[in-house]
Amino acid sequence: AQSVSQHNHHVILSEAASLELGCNYSYGGTVNLFWYVQYPGQHLQLLLKYFSGDPLVKGIKGFEAEFIKSKFSFNLRKPSVQWSDTAEYFCAVNAGDSWGKLQFGAGTQVVVTP
Amino acid sequence: DAMVIQNPRYQVTQFGKPVTLSCSQTLNHNVMYWYQQKSSQAPKLLFHYYDKDFNNEADTPDNFQSRRPNTSFCFLDIRSPGLGDAAMYLCATSRQQGRGRTDTQYFGPGTRLTVL
Repeated sequence: AQSVSQHNHHVILSEAASLELGCNYSYGGTVNLFWYVQYPGQHLQLLLKYFSGDPLVKGIKGFEAEFIKSKFSFNLRKPSVQWSDTAEYFCAVNAGDSWGKLQFGAGTQVVVTP
Repeated sequence: DAMVIQNPRYQVTQFGKPVTLSCSQTLNHNVMYWYQQKSSQAPKLLFHYYDKDFNNEADTPDNFQSRRPNTSFCFLDIRSPGLGDAAMYLCATSRQQGRGRTDTQYFGPGTRLTVL
């Protein structure tokens, strides 16, 4: 069965530090990839997505992610985090030969300290 | 603004007492989803409606049902809530253009269900 792994459950870092969150999936076919973010008390919202083309995708708020097909990975990065980036981050995968079903990772709680 | 709305935001029910959660959308999307998210876990898809077609996930308990009377509204019915059903329930929508194509899912704020 398809699965999505996020390696870190909790990350604590200081403002201006760089952030990288790992995401690996286990599906061998074509995939569509997403990162969602959930700020405290708010709903899940899309950070960025990859369907095809340039494997380096840029999202909102300075986030980017790189799809590495050979590693089945879609890691999220931000060069310099802000306190407002404190949130939970979810990687999600859709198998490209299916309808829109998303398989979510367990999420990574990121806390940015001033 | 176009959005996904869930009511109520917080719902308390008693063990075994039926409860209904509602979701509405102004995005005119053809697909609506219900997810269950327990604390510190990933959202888990319960079922979805593709237009009027209901699609249940294989591991969704029979205790969970859904109705979609029109494009804009979708309901989650829990017939006999157990303590293990306490969770956040998320509604999402997307514009699906057939098998093999997908698009962003837009989520509502969720309803937190407490079972006493």
